[in-house]
Amino acid sequence: HLQLQESGPGLVKPSETLSLTCTVSGGSIDNSPFSWAWIRQSPGKGLENIGNIFDTGSVHYNPSLETRVAISVDTSANRFSLEVTSLTAADTGFYYCATPGRDDSFGFQYWGQGIFVTVSS
Amino acid sequence: YVLTQPPSMSVAPGDTARLTCGGERIETKTVNWYQQKPGQAPLLVICDDSDRPSGIPERFSGSNSGNTATLTISGVEGGDEADYYCHVYDGDSDRTVFGGGTKLTV
Repeated sequence: HLQLQESGPGLVKPSETLSLTCTVSGGSIDNSPFSWAWIRQSPGKGLENIGNIFDTGSVHYNPSLETRVAISVDTSANRFSLEVTSLTAADTGFYYCATPGRDDSFGFQYWGQGIFVTVSS
Repeated sequence: YVLTQPPSMSVAPGDTARLTCGGERIETKTVNWYQQKPGQAPLLVICDDSDRPSGIPERFSGSNSGNTATLTISGVEGGDEADYYCHVYDGDSDRTVFGGGTKLTV
């Protein structure tokens, strides 16, 4: 049974870079035949996919964010990470990591509890 | 690819709620549905159009035809009050897309 846990700063300044980590337990990222995703939610708004990294190593980003984001995997630490550059107040919100946990579906069965990030000086 | 959901819906306890998710030829894609209560992470309630993950009550069902996918909640209870989001992975563009969400009031 997979468990995901986000970690990172709760407050970052405008124009700076946000770095978040999702630590996976209950299973191994290495050689897992499914994808891992970052999803965010601005206050009072809906869910927005940031990007997905697949078992092939390919990464697909939301076109509206792809110039500012990067997702990577650290198999030795069993975690995957998100970087968002050139932050503005519009980047404030909950950031979730998620995975289907299976290779025959894209539905996100497993989610972290989320981490709230405030972008403010 | 764009998914369209009505912003809100209100139903009485015991009634059936039918939440819709519109998208061009959505029947060619597999649709997932999430329930999100305040302060909580989303919960997958329907995957792959109509499958219920373990632990999800049988009251939740899904269908997908033409340009509309539907999440049906039978015998709605107060605990079903939440935001519901549809989601697809668009293989044509390699994009993950969420609908804007429907706030269900019971």
